[in-house]
Amino acid sequence: AQSVTQLGSHVSVSEGALVLLRCNYSSSVPPYLFWYVQYPNQGLQLLLKYTTGATLVKGINGFEAEFKKSETSFHLTKPSAHMSDAAEYFCAVSDPDTGGFKTIFGAGTRLFVKA
Amino acid sequence: EAQVTQNPRYLITVTGKKLTVTCSQNMNHEYMSWYRQDPGLGLRQIYYSMNVEVTDKGDVPEGYKVSRKEKRNFPLILESPSPNQTSLYFCASSSSGQGEYEQYFGPGTRLTVT
Repeated sequence: AQSVTQLGSHVSVSEGALVLLRCNYSSSVPPYLFWYVQYPNQGLQLLLKYTTGATLVKGINGFEAEFKKSETSFHLTKPSAHMSDAAEYFCAVSDPDTGGFKTIFGAGTRLFVKA
Repeated sequence: EAQVTQNPRYLITVTGKKLTVTCSQNMNHEYMSWYRQDPGLGLRQIYYSMNVEVTDKGDVPEGYKVSRKEKRNFPLILESPSPNQTSLYFCASSSSGQGEYEQYFGPGTRLTVT
């Protein structure tokens, strides 16, 4: 069965520092990959996604992620953290082999940004 | 404004008292889904619907029912709620169930079952 692992339930960075949130998935077939962000008391919203094509994808708010098939990874990065980036981030995959109807989410990583 | 709405946003109930959480989207999306969010577990899919009258189980369907009689609505029904169903629930919709499209999430419903 498909699974998603996010390394680190909490990540703390200083304002202006690099943000790196890790995501690994288990699949023999390259899935569709997503990063969502959840701000306090809100629903999730899409940051970026990978379906096909270029493996480096850019999203909103300066975030980007790179799909690495050999490493089954889809890590999220941002060169310089801002206080407004403090939120919970979820990596998600949907499996093309199942028609994509089922989406599996990681457990989430809460990002703290220190002034 | 394109959105997914859920009602109620907060609900406290007692064990065994049937309840319904409504979900509605105004984007003419075919695909809708329900998730529950629990600390340390992320979001887990309860049920999903590919279109009107077409639903299927997700990973944690026990204790829940759904129906999709209209394209815009996808209510979640708890016939006999139990304390282990205390959670934060999200409804989501997508233009297609093919998986490559993003999901749009509602604001969430926080349910407490005592």
